[in-house]
Amino acid sequence: DAKTTQPNSMESNEEEPVHLPCNHSTISGTDYIHWYRQLPSQGPEYVIHGLTSNVNNRMASLAIAEDRKSSTLILHRATLRDAAVYYCILRVRAQKLVFGQGTRLTINP
Amino acid sequence: DTAVSQTPKYLVTQMGNDKSIKCEQNLGHDTMYWYKQDSKKFLKIMFSYNNKELIINETVPNRFSPKSPDKAHLNLHINSLELGDSAVYFCASSQGHAGGYGYTFGSGTRLTVV
Repeated sequence: DAKTTQPNSMESNEEEPVHLPCNHSTISGTDYIHWYRQLPSQGPEYVIHGLTSNVNNRMASLAIAEDRKSSTLILHRATLRDAAVYYCILRVRAQKLVFGQGTRLTINP
Repeated sequence: DTAVSQTPKYLVTQMGNDKSIKCEQNLGHDTMYWYKQDSKKFLKIMFSYNNKELIINETVPNRFSPKSPDKAHLNLHINSLELGDSAVYFCASSQGHAGGYGYTFGSGTRLTVV
């Protein structure tokens, strides 16, 4: 399974931007980069995904390095409700998402 | 309307019993999954069905048997429950199984075996 590396935890302040990094040096050309988050006692929630170009949606932005070996999830203005575990996942041709340990994001008021 | 719904939300049962968890999605997706999240919070895929056909069957004891009566439903039956089966089980769905499709997860079923 294609591997990603994320920091175990990060902390930020409310109303500030948050940049969550992810390394995926073994990514292949057809692998999509997916981000999910899991709030306490809830199921994982889709955040965003991309292949080569940067992507924006109402929840976040995804910045993908030119060589695709790393990416950054950007929360433009963090709120307390953004406190969660964030998972960076490579979705390969196979039909499954393989979750790692993720980054636990803490938001300080 | 809930997109992916699982029942029951909580299930407490004794060792050796047989139990089922049901999952339904109203998104029109053609692929459904079961994931298990253990006490250490790791999420692991168990099964995947595409158009009622089993396409992923990870290393799971054969006490676990998925059944998909139609594209919108994927149930999980567990025989002879063991203490180690205690976990949160998540159902998910996606439209297609290529890399460019996101998953929608249910809210989970917390199974406790005593």
